[in-house]
Amino acid sequence: SQQGEEDPQALSIQEGENATMNCSYKTSINNLQWYRQNSGRGLVHLILIRSNEREKHSGRLRVTLDTSKKSSSLLITASRAADTASYFCATGSNQFYFGTGTSLTVIP
Amino acid sequence: GAVVSQHPSRVICKSGTSVKIECRSLDFQATTMFWYRQFPKQSLMLMATSNEGSKATYEQGVEKDKFLINHASLTLSTLTVTSAHPEDSSFYICSARGSWGVNTEAFFGQGTRLTVV
Repeated sequence: SQQGEEDPQALSIQEGENATMNCSYKTSINNLQWYRQNSGRGLVHLILIRSNEREKHSGRLRVTLDTSKKSSSLLITASRAADTASYFCATGSNQFYFGTGTSLTVIP
Repeated sequence: GAVVSQHPSRVICKSGTSVKIECRSLDFQATTMFWYRQFPKQSLMLMATSNEGSKATYEQGVEKDKFLINHASLTLSTLTVTSAHPEDSSFYICSARGSWGVNTEAFFGQGTRLTVV
């Protein structure tokens, strides 16, 4: 299976705190993407990081990539209740293979 | 971002009947479309990849005759679940990519909740 793994599976934090999720994958990659899914909805693209990049920022999001360890992390700073969702990493150039996901709950 | 519309959002059907799910790209031409299946509290599993005008490529373990995929135009792909059974009940999601190529983001539909009774 090309599916990656994410940890933690579930994360519960207070509003204002930072949330960190990790993704490990198995094969070599050209890029890694992070997506968000609200319950029972489709996915929304958050950020794409290429294999030659080590860190990327987008608003309150910070993504790191360590290709030597085949891992990536997503940091959400100053979390808000509206950030409550599931977060998935995805690898693949054409087809995407998703990680197992992290369910984030931000408590107001 | 580009918009992908999936219809219906929810469908209930009787066991043994067939159900068709539509995936449309509204503001771009989708050269490639993807169909995923998601069980409760689990990840998305890629079912198949379809390119406009050609046969879909199915992932290992996905029954081609069970899940019929048609990508007849650059804005529409359909997934038909044939002779549906309760175990086919799931959340099905499509995504689409345009001609801007690989190694880029894909855009997702809102998903279809299929319940087979």
